[in-house]
Amino acid sequence: QKEVEQNSGPLSVPEGAIASLNCTYSDRGSQSFFWYRQYSGKSPELIMFIYSNGDKEDGRFTAQLNKASQYVSLLIRDSQPSDSATYLCAVNTGGTYKYIFGTGTRLKVLA
Amino acid sequence: DAGITQSPRYKITETGRQVTLMCHQTWSHSYMFWYRQDLGHGLRLIYYSAAADITDKGEVPDGYVVSRSKTENFPLTLESATRSQTSVYFCASSESAQPQHFGDGTRLSIL
Repeated sequence: QKEVEQNSGPLSVPEGAIASLNCTYSDRGSQSFFWYRQYSGKSPELIMFIYSNGDKEDGRFTAQLNKASQYVSLLIRDSQPSDSATYLCAVNTGGTYKYIFGTGTRLKVLA
Repeated sequence: DAGITQSPRYKITETGRQVTLMCHQTWSHSYMFWYRQDLGHGLRLIYYSAAADITDKGEVPDGYVVSRSKTENFPLTLESATRSQTSVYFCASSESAQPQHFGDGTRLSIL
């Protein structure tokens, strides 16, 4: 079992819809959770981070964390074609150096 | 401007040659990281550093050497390049368990 798992996609949603991206992780000791957006040929760019159970909202983005079920999700409201990218989930275990990345979900927002 | 810069952005070399990728950050972050990103594997940690003169291996360290004599610099050296090291290399920095910030990457091709 991979430590951080994401569906590779592509996930296609129409413009204006809600995109829901999911990530599961295996280490129950994980403490910090991050979502990065990566456009083709570019570097990962931080979108959201969350440390506590529940929801965290920032503009059109909402991160949801459920430690009991070991999943973290990212909701993108009012999806735009410019949101089309690969979204990487990352988990920090042990509070030090160990950031584990999923392989990413490719999102396509259709105009 | 504050940030993290990598050089060169593109590099073509031949098998057996030594090549060094440079990484410089201006945030004074304690942690610095080197990742490689390949299709199907996502981001894999090569080496990390918790502070100047403190480095340690990540998931895929073989064939790579790092040093960190100053907090702001973290060069990665391929001592004798092999074709399997053709990849996109990202440097990142952070404080412990905090979001990582990535450089623009170096696209390395080994012929």
